[in-house]
Amino acid sequence: EDKVVQSPLSLVVHEGDTVTLNCSYEVTNFRSLLWYKQEKKAPTFLFMLTSSGIEKKSGRLSSILDKKELFSILNITATQTGDSAVYLCAVRDYGGSQGNLIFGKGTKLSVKP
Amino acid sequence: NAGVTQTPKFRILKIGQSMTLQCTQDMNHNYMYWYRQDPGMGLKLIYYSVGAGITDKGEVPNGYNVSRSTTEDFPLRLELAAPSQTSVYFCASSYAGASDTQYFGPGTRLTVL
Repeated sequence: EDKVVQSPLSLVVHEGDTVTLNCSYEVTNFRSLLWYKQEKKAPTFLFMLTSSGIEKKSGRLSSILDKKELFSILNITATQTGDSAVYLCAVRDYGGSQGNLIFGKGTKLSVKP
Repeated sequence: NAGVTQTPKFRILKIGQSMTLQCTQDMNHNYMYWYRQDPGMGLKLIYYSVGAGITDKGEVPNGYNVSRSTTEDFPLRLELAAPSQTSVYFCASSYAGASDTQYFGPGTRLTVL
């Protein structure tokens, strides 16, 4: 059965800390891995990763994929209280004409002032 | 450009009642999706559509129906509401399928009592 496992499930840090969120996956036909940030309402897209070893970066956030070991990490440096959110990892497979998106349960990040 | 909009934002139903969750996107996206998110869980795909007139089941379709008569609209219908359908429902869209990122609406919080 295809699955996506995120760790830790929750994390509390102080402003300025650096955090690393983990996402491991088992899917039959991997196509891409996506990271989303979810605050109070809808998830917002962060990164899409398809190739191993190529870091995607956006400001203080960065992410990388390891297709051999089947995992990805999301790094946030110099955390701010505005980074508090649930971070969702999702993996897309080749199943069906649209490619199924399989989500992990998320990591709840709380950044204290 | 409003993106993906959903109505209503909140709804309380009694067991056995029916309702339709509305979803509209103005980005001319071909693909649309309905997800549900239960507390502390990731997103699960209910139904998806690859274009007007075409719909298909996702992971958890039982108890729901969809239609896609136009590119813009993708309503989700609950015929006989059950407490197990208490959840937050997200609609999403993407221009292409497996190679494209999904943009989410703000969600509808549904409670069935």
